[in-house]
Amino acid sequence: GQNIDQPTEMTATEGAIVQINCTYQTSGFNGLFWYQQHAGEAPTFLSYNVLDGLEEKGRFSSFLSRSKGYSYLLLKELQMKDSASYLCAVILRNSGNTPLVFGKGTRLSVIA
Amino acid sequence: KAGVTQTPRYLIKTRGQQVTLSCSPISGHRSVSWYQQTPGQGLQFLFEYFSETQRNKGNFPGRFSGRQFSNSRSEMNVSTLELGDSALYLCASSLVRDGGNTEAFFGQGTRLTVV
Repeated sequence: GQNIDQPTEMTATEGAIVQINCTYQTSGFNGLFWYQQHAGEAPTFLSYNVLDGLEEKGRFSSFLSRSKGYSYLLLKELQMKDSASYLCAVILRNSGNTPLVFGKGTRLSVIA
Repeated sequence: KAGVTQTPRYLIKTRGQQVTLSCSPISGHRSVSWYQQTPGQGLQFLFEYFSETQRNKGNFPGRFSGRQFSNSRSEMNVSTLELGDSALYLCASSLVRDGGNTEAFFGQGTRLTVV
């Protein structure tokens, strides 16, 4: 079966750094996406990792270790608007790049 | 350019009825995927269409079906609705390149409530 695990909820302080972890056990792997979803809105793309290592994009970075089945999303200089759910999604082999398996999401609350 | 458009935004149906949801992808995107999102299960993949053909299918019963038209617009249908089908149904479109699809862009979703 396919399984992606993320913490259910996290709380962090404005201006701080937070790391959201994602572990996966899937029957194939062709890359990993991170999405942000504000309440009542559509998920929006944050990052894509297919090779091991760190991808940095402004305040957001994402890391992947394929041998460990592990990824994390790092958010720096947290702002109140970063309060949202963060979804980790794995692309299975033979499925193009369409995300097929999603984690249940991590609800991040940023407090003053 | 316009994003992914889903209609209707909200829908209330009775158990046993059927429902059809519509999705218009971003212009030029030929891959359309459908997902069901519920608080308990998160986002679950239903199916993907590319060039009017179903390319991938998730683990949902046959009551869930879909199709894609020549202009890449897609519809999904749920027959014999059950209370458990109440969910947010999201459509996502993506480009298809030699190495596979690009990232998926999501629509705002259709909130289906079955009573």
